[in-house]
Amino acid sequence: DGGITQSPKYLFRKEGQNVTLSCEQNLNHDAMYWYRQDPGQGLRLIYYSQIVNDFQKGDIAEGYSVSREKKESFPLTVTSAQKNPTAFYLCASNKDQGGGWQPQHFGDGTRLSIL
Amino acid sequence: DQQVKQNSPSLSVQEGRISILNCDYTNSMFDYFLWYKKYPAEGPTFLISISSIKDKNEDGRFTVFLNKSAKHLSLHIVPSQPGDSAVYFCAAKWAGNMLTFGGGTRLMVKP
Repeated sequence: DGGITQSPKYLFRKEGQNVTLSCEQNLNHDAMYWYRQDPGQGLRLIYYSQIVNDFQKGDIAEGYSVSREKKESFPLTVTSAQKNPTAFYLCASNKDQGGGWQPQHFGDGTRLSIL
Repeated sequence: DQQVKQNSPSLSVQEGRISILNCDYTNSMFDYFLWYKKYPAEGPTFLISISSIKDKNEDGRFTVFLNKSAKHLSLHIVPSQPGDSAVYFCAAKWAGNMLTFGGGTRLMVKP
């Protein structure tokens, strides 16, 4: 079955530590996205990538970094510079606009907490 | 500056009745509007969308209405079922693939 896999489901970070959240998709989608959800709030875009080896900052990119070395994978690193990292992180993907627009599909998320 | 707003954080409806979830937006450049449904600890699931050139789109029990002059869209669920209890996000598409999300409305359908 095709889908988006995020791991781990729960992650704990110590002060001053960088942590990496995994996102893998086997939908052959070109575009991938990272969102952050805080309690009672909507999703806010952290980073997105429309093609391998290229990515763009979203609305709240400070304290985060990404890479897109393979089409299937778009890992997100939460760095120690992110002072309020506790949140639910969601990865999404969809086909590139050139192939006809499709809604973004989401993984099941990673909940990051501070120890 | 919130370009997409859901002003009701929660809504409670009796099973079998209609649920109406509302969303307002400010940017006239949005070309599609979407509704996603989200259960706790899971990712959002796409529900239904509407093009900005339409005023209604229907899919089974779900209908989305778009009022461009009022910059308002709504999702109607008829009849509501307990399994519909979830958080519903409206989202607006712009610049090709980008989405801007509202803050969500928690729907509770009572048996």
